[in-house]
Amino acid sequence: QSALTQPRSVSGSPGQSVTISCTGTSSDVGGYNYVSWYQQHPGKAPKFLIYDVIKRPSGVPDRFSGSKSGNTASLTISGLQAEDEADYYCCSYAGPYILVFGGGTKLTVL
Amino acid sequence: QVQLQESAPDLVKPSETLSLTCAVSGFSISRGYYWGWIRQPPGKGLEWIGSLYPSGSGNTYYSPSLKSRLTMSVDTSKNQISLILSSVTAADTATYYCARSSGWSGGFDYWGQGSLVTVSS
Repeated sequence: QSALTQPRSVSGSPGQSVTISCTGTSSDVGGYNYVSWYQQHPGKAPKFLIYDVIKRPSGVPDRFSGSKSGNTASLTISGLQAEDEADYYCCSYAGPYILVFGGGTKLTVL
Repeated sequence: QVQLQESAPDLVKPSETLSLTCAVSGFSISRGYYWGWIRQPPGKGLEWIGSLYPSGSGNTYYSPSLKSRLTMSVDTSKNQISLILSSVTAADTATYYCARSSGWSGGFDYWGQGSLVTVSS
C-alpha cells in the first residue's frame, strides 16, 4: 500500500487561507469517506483535526475544514495564525482493515 | 482524561526483537475502541503499523509490509497493549506512538507522547 501524496510544503500569510491536498486512489481516498487529518508540531505527538473527511472533533477550531473530490482529500485552514505552522498529515482507510498515511506537508506561516 | 504512555528500550541491536508497551489510563481498553500503533522515522512521515480491537475476540490488524514480523496483544488486567517487532534493522528506527481510535472511520483521537527506539549495534 503506497503512501498518500501530499505537497511537501505550503505557505501563507497570517489571516489568509491555505489548502493542503492529499491524493490517493479509488482503493483508499476515493473509495471511502474515511479520511482523517492530523497536525504535528516539532517534537510533539500528532493532534487530531478532522475525521470522516469533514467532521471536526470537539475543541478543534472551525478554521480547520475538510473536503474530498474523487481521489483527493483536502484540508483548508482559514484565518491562518502563527501557531498553525506545523506538519500536517492525512490518513485514509484503504480496506480491508488497512490504514495509510500521507507523506506530510510542512505549513509555513510567513 | 484518556492518557497513553509508551514504554520501550532506547536501543535495540539489529536482528533482535523490539518490544513496546502502551499503558492506558482514564479509559478501559476493553470499552469497544480500537488501539493502534503508528511510527515515525526521524525527519520522516507517519506510518501505520497496526491496530487491535480488545473487545470480543481481540482481533488484530497489521500493515502488510510488517505483518511477517509483527505481533500485537492486549493485557486487560494491566489496561495496556503491546507490540513485538522481530528481526529489526536500522529502518525500524523511529518514534513509536500508540493511539486510540473509535473505528476504521473515526481517526486517532488520543495519542501517547511517543517513544524513540534506535536500532544500532
